[in-house]
Amino acid sequence: DTGVSQDPRHKITKRGQNVTFRCDPISEHNRLYWYRQTLGQGPEFLTYFQNEAQLEKSRLLSDRFSAERPKGSFSTLEIQRTEQGDSAMYLCASSSPQGAGSPLHFGNGTRLTVT
Amino acid sequence: KNEVEQSPQNLTAQEGEFITINCSYSVGISALHWLQQHPGGGIVSLFMLSSGKKKHGRLIATINIQEKHSSLHITASHPRDSAVYICAVLNTGNQFYFGTGTSLTVIP
Repeated sequence: DTGVSQDPRHKITKRGQNVTFRCDPISEHNRLYWYRQTLGQGPEFLTYFQNEAQLEKSRLLSDRFSAERPKGSFSTLEIQRTEQGDSAMYLCASSSPQGAGSPLHFGNGTRLTVT
Repeated sequence: KNEVEQSPQNLTAQEGEFITINCSYSVGISALHWLQQHPGGGIVSLFMLSSGKKKHGRLIATINIQEKHSSLHITASHPRDSAVYICAVLNTGNQFYFGTGTSLTVIP
């Protein structure tokens, strides 16, 4: 068990470009969450998958954001036409299907800087 | 109004002091998590609670479901405890809500 891994660790992009992040959850975990965290704030919920189904999507998530989990394993988060306000740490977390409230395991995040 | 409120926002303590961080929430929950985030580092889950009290080493977490309140205690604090401690609740719709965190600095 190598934990939740995210790639890349850091991404610097110019405003208007598209970026894609990847999250590999712990292998037996069926729940996968994406969060965004800005400096001095707690994580903000973006979206949630159970297996390959996207069950929840925050109203904070504009149409420029899309997430997929095509085979119920790894997930990708894409941001189109990036804006400076998108600069943040993007965190992925996963949990097992063993009842509500299973421990949440976080990846180290992808830090996005939009210049 | 945030669904999860933590206090204090910042806390400085001398090594050896007993520390308490508080978390209040306003939604119905199935579980509450205490998380630890070191500067530049990832987030680690410390505790998951749905009732009562849990202890792990020098850390103790309690929850009062009726009062919608949880506390994280650190006994005999140490500089390596310096981190941001985040309270997160899982609501009945499987959505997590996070507090903004408590930044703890323990001075030798």
